Amino acid sequence: DAMVIQNPRYQVTQFGKPVTLSCSQTLNHNVMYWYQQKSSQAPKLLFHYYDKDFNNEADTPDNFQSRRPNTSFCFLDIRSPGLGDAAMYLCATSGGLAGGTSTDTQYFGPGTRLTVL
Amino acid sequence: AQSVSQHNHHVILSEAASLELGCNYSYGGTVNLFWYVQYPGQHLQLLLKYFSGDPLVKGIKGFEAEFIKSKFSFNLRKPSVQWSDTAEYFCAVNRGNYNTDKLIFGTGTRLQVFP
Repeated sequence: DAMVIQNPRYQVTQFGKPVTLSCSQTLNHNVMYWYQQKSSQAPKLLFHYYDKDFNNEADTPDNFQSRRPNTSFCFLDIRSPGLGDAAMYLCATSGGLAGGTSTDTQYFGPGTRLTVL
Repeated sequence: AQSVSQHNHHVILSEAASLELGCNYSYGGTVNLFWYVQYPGQHLQLLLKYFSGDPLVKGIKGFEAEFIKSKFSFNLRKPSVQWSDTAEYFCAVNRGNYNTDKLIFGTGTRLQVFP
């Protein structure tokens, strides 16, 4: 089945130790998103790629970076995780290969739960 | 800035009871509205969405939602819930007429259905 896959499902890191979360998709979607969801809060968009174009949200800390080496993969890099970065990180995709619109359904992966010690 | 409010944080129902979950948004322009559901241990998935046409939208598993523009609302309804509807429900909105636009989510409503 076509899907959005996130690895690992659970990640434990130490305060200040860089960590990378990965997302892959078999949907051939043009747009890929990274959301952060803290306990009992709404998912909050960090950034998204529209094809190769990177779009950062204004309030996303510089500590968070992203890479999209090809259509299928997208990575979230946290350069120096703090205790406040402990959260569920959700990857989502939308749009066909040719583009996308804001009416498109976003398809979510299962998330990676990050713990910072 | 856009925001989405879900006033019911936790709803507990018995099977066969009727369900209505509230969702209000703040944005004066054209909007697209979504309800996503997250079953225990599973990923977020689309329940239904509205972007134009009939304001009463029908989704999967017997759910429906009504867009009332004058009230900035998009409430989710189901006439008779089942135990399998136990899940967390998120309302989300983005701006219409864009190539892509971020979803603004509400904080979610946790629904528990008891047999």
